[in-house]
Amino acid sequence: QKEVEQNSGPLSVPEGAIASLNCTYSDRGSQSFFWYRQYSGKSPELIMFIYSNGDKEDGRFTAQLNKASQYVSLLIRDSQPSDSATYLCAVNTEGSQGNLIFGKGTKLSVKP
Amino acid sequence: NAGVTQTPKFRILKIGQSMTLQCAQDMNHNYMYWYRQDPGMGLKLIYYSVGAGITDKGEVPNGYNVSRSTTEDFPLRLELAAPSQTSVYFCASSYRGLNYGYTFGSGTRLTVV
Repeated sequence: QKEVEQNSGPLSVPEGAIASLNCTYSDRGSQSFFWYRQYSGKSPELIMFIYSNGDKEDGRFTAQLNKASQYVSLLIRDSQPSDSATYLCAVNTEGSQGNLIFGKGTKLSVKP
Repeated sequence: NAGVTQTPKFRILKIGQSMTLQCAQDMNHNYMYWYRQDPGMGLKLIYYSVGAGITDKGEVPNGYNVSRSTTEDFPLRLELAAPSQTSVYFCASSYRGLNYGYTFGSGTRLTVV
């Protein structure tokens, strides 16, 4: 069974701090990795994707991928209360017919 | 540009009733998906489609059926509703599937009583 694991949280950080969200995956054949943000009662919204080892930056968000360790993370710099949401990690795995496998999500709370 | 449109937003069904959840996208995406999301359980794939006339089962297909007669529409049919089908249902679409993220609809919150 292909799995994507995330710490459910809640992860609480003060406003202005760096929030670090982590995700591990079981399938070494995974090729693409996505981070979605989901506000309570809303649908998931794509915020970052990464395909290659290393870092990818987009504004306050940085995605980091380490395929050898089967680990992907999302850093949020200068966290704002509006970043408070559940963050879903999603992975494309060879065994899933090209579909995304989602983790259960990490709930982030940014305190003013 | 509406993106992915789901109807209805909320629905209460009685056990044994049937209904169709509608999903339409206007982005000319080939791939479409149906997921259900239960509290603390993440998103589970019900069915997906890689193009008109082509559908396949996901992880949790039992109790559901789909059709894809056009590129734009991908309805999900619930037959003989059961309390276990109480969930939030999301439709999503993507351009090619493999390396592209999904665009999600706003969801349908279904309660079976």
